[in-house]
Amino acid sequence: EDKVVQSPLSLVVHEGDTVTLNCSYEVTNFRSLLWYKQEKKAPTFLFMLTSSGIEKKSGRLSSILDKKELSSILNITATQTGDSAIYLCASGGSNYKLTFGKGTLLTVNP
Amino acid sequence: SAVISQKPSRDICQRGTSLTIQCQVDSQVTMMFWYRQQPGQSLTLIATANQGSEATYESGFVIDKFPISRPNLTFSTLTVSNLSPEDSSIYLCSAVYRGMNTEAFFGQGTRLTVV
Repeated sequence: EDKVVQSPLSLVVHEGDTVTLNCSYEVTNFRSLLWYKQEKKAPTFLFMLTSSGIEKKSGRLSSILDKKELSSILNITATQTGDSAIYLCASGGSNYKLTFGKGTLLTVNP
Repeated sequence: SAVISQKPSRDICQRGTSLTIQCQVDSQVTMMFWYRQQPGQSLTLIATANQGSEATYESGFVIDKFPISRPNLTFSTLTVSNLSPEDSSIYLCSAVYRGMNTEAFFGQGTRLTVV
């Protein structure tokens, strides 16, 4: 059975801090690793990673995949209160289906 | 980016009734899926909605409880039948677009409360 594990499950930081969120996966027929941000109901797509060692960046967010270690990290630098959300990691396998981790609840305090 | 319209946004339903959720996407998709997110939990795939044929259900989900239709490429419905309080969840429609890899986009979600 495919499995995705995220850590930590929750994190509280102050504005300006840098955070690193972790994701590990065990997936049959791995295609990709995806990160989403969930603030209310709908997850918003952040990154898709398919190649090991290539960092993807969007503003203060960046992510990288390590296929040897079957893991990925999501970094957020200079955090803001608007970054408070649940960050979901998902692994894409066969037939485009996604297996999600439980998420990391990030709280950024002013 | 993709536009996926899902409705209703929320509903409160009585036990034993059913709720049908609609999902409309704005352009050509290859795959459509339905997910459930129970309170405090992550997203779990219910089924793949197949155009013009029966949906493909994941383990633990059955057609009698979660009938799904996809009459054309860009529209799908999920019905949650014979509701019980355990069905109180967020239900999410998802689509993968032609020319993309596995990045899936999500509708706004439907928050269902069963009383």
